[in-house]
Amino acid sequence: KAGVTQTPRYLIKTRGQQVTLSCSPISGHRSVSWYQQTPGQGLQFLFEYFSETQRNKGNFPGRFSGRQFSNSRSEMNVSTLELGDSALYLCASSLNVQGPNTGELFFGEGSRLTVL
Amino acid sequence: QKEVEQNSGPLSVPEGAIASLNCTYSDRVSQSFFWYRQYSGKSPELIMSIYSNGDKEDGRFTAQLNKASQYVSLLIRDSQPSDSATYLCAVNRDDKIIFGKGTRLHILP
Repeated sequence: KAGVTQTPRYLIKTRGQQVTLSCSPISGHRSVSWYQQTPGQGLQFLFEYFSETQRNKGNFPGRFSGRQFSNSRSEMNVSTLELGDSALYLCASSLNVQGPNTGELFFGEGSRLTVL
Repeated sequence: QKEVEQNSGPLSVPEGAIASLNCTYSDRVSQSFFWYRQYSGKSPELIMSIYSNGDKEDGRFTAQLNKASQYVSLLIRDSQPSDSATYLCAVNRDDKIIFGKGTRLHILP
């Protein structure tokens, strides 16, 4: 069974640009969560999507957005990049058959974003 | 107060000894709790979940939950060098999985 796939793995952008990251969950998983990981702040929750709907959102500015498609694949977008957006962005999928977030997350390898 | 607090470590434990990792959380209504392990340069992976007060054992790992004290712990028996990693405590708060910053564990051969 294939795991969670994130693309691209590495990318370098300059301030003011925008970036789109992609996540393909484990087959059958309907929930996709996104996290930002930095050495100083650890893993911070960005948002969670379930059946194409954003179900939860963390405390990030509106420059951070996401969406989920009917096949459960998800994308997140960061507009007007700032230096502080440099981080590892992790996507995690979860089965969540009954809806509520079970917390049993399966993480992808992440997309490492560097903003210059 | 941070939502999920962990000592950052590093916690150094001799091989074969018991490693004890602790976590406190601020939201009393949280009902489910998790321990994830993250090796350097890798993604977190779930190792234990616990939902009820008391102990839950899985192989060399035991998770302990005390909701009255808002405290979760993870014990690793017979620690091995391969257990050296960062251990992340996570809490389900309002359907959001919130992580602590993690405790770095170093098993000394």
